[in-house]
Amino acid sequence: DARVTQTPRHKVTEMGQEVTMRCQPILGHNTVFWYRQTMMQGLELLAYFRNRAPLDDSGMPKDRFSAEMPDATLATLKIQPSEPRDSAVYFCASGLVQVSNQPQHFGDGTRLSIL
Amino acid sequence: QKEVEQNSGPLSVPEGAIASLNCTYSDRGSQSFFWYRQYSGKSPELIMSIYSNGDKEDGRFTAQLNKASQYVSLLIRDSQPSDSATYLCAVNMDGGFKTIFGAGTRLFVKA
Repeated sequence: DARVTQTPRHKVTEMGQEVTMRCQPILGHNTVFWYRQTMMQGLELLAYFRNRAPLDDSGMPKDRFSAEMPDATLATLKIQPSEPRDSAVYFCASGLVQVSNQPQHFGDGTRLSIL
Repeated sequence: QKEVEQNSGPLSVPEGAIASLNCTYSDRGSQSFFWYRQYSGKSPELIMSIYSNGDKEDGRFTAQLNKASQYVSLLIRDSQPSDSATYLCAVNMDGGFKTIFGAGTRLFVKA
């Protein structure tokens, strides 16, 4: 079964440190999404890419967050500097968007704790 | 108004009963609708997709779509304790390239 792979699965670090989360989308998928999930806000869309180009990052705090897709097999989400309010589960999802009605497939997530 | 709205629950049903989960959305142009199930501590997994008005059945699950009313629902027949999870409604917007999720409905199935 093809899967979206995210690393690390867990990350605990101190406020002010840089955090990098990585995602390997399913081979052949052309769209990658980054989500953040908290109890209070639910699942929030942070950014998404199509064919490696960023389409929308309006959900992301621009001053500290950045998302890139250096190649078709790797997407990254960076937080610098990190803050306690960034503690959440970060999910990556990928999909094949040639027609609009394709669902996304999620990775297992990165559980981030900022102390 | 949120783009995708769901009752947060919790919704509690006895084992064997029908669980009914509802969702409304704001974008009249949306064409694709999905239901995901998320167990505690796990990632969302797709259980149903629906694109046309009417009902779509898959095993114990039935998705219902009414585009005129901007309403999507999920019925779970013969509910089992293993169905206890949070159910997320997802709607494609912006021409299909952006998916917005509802806050989810927590379902408890009592044995």
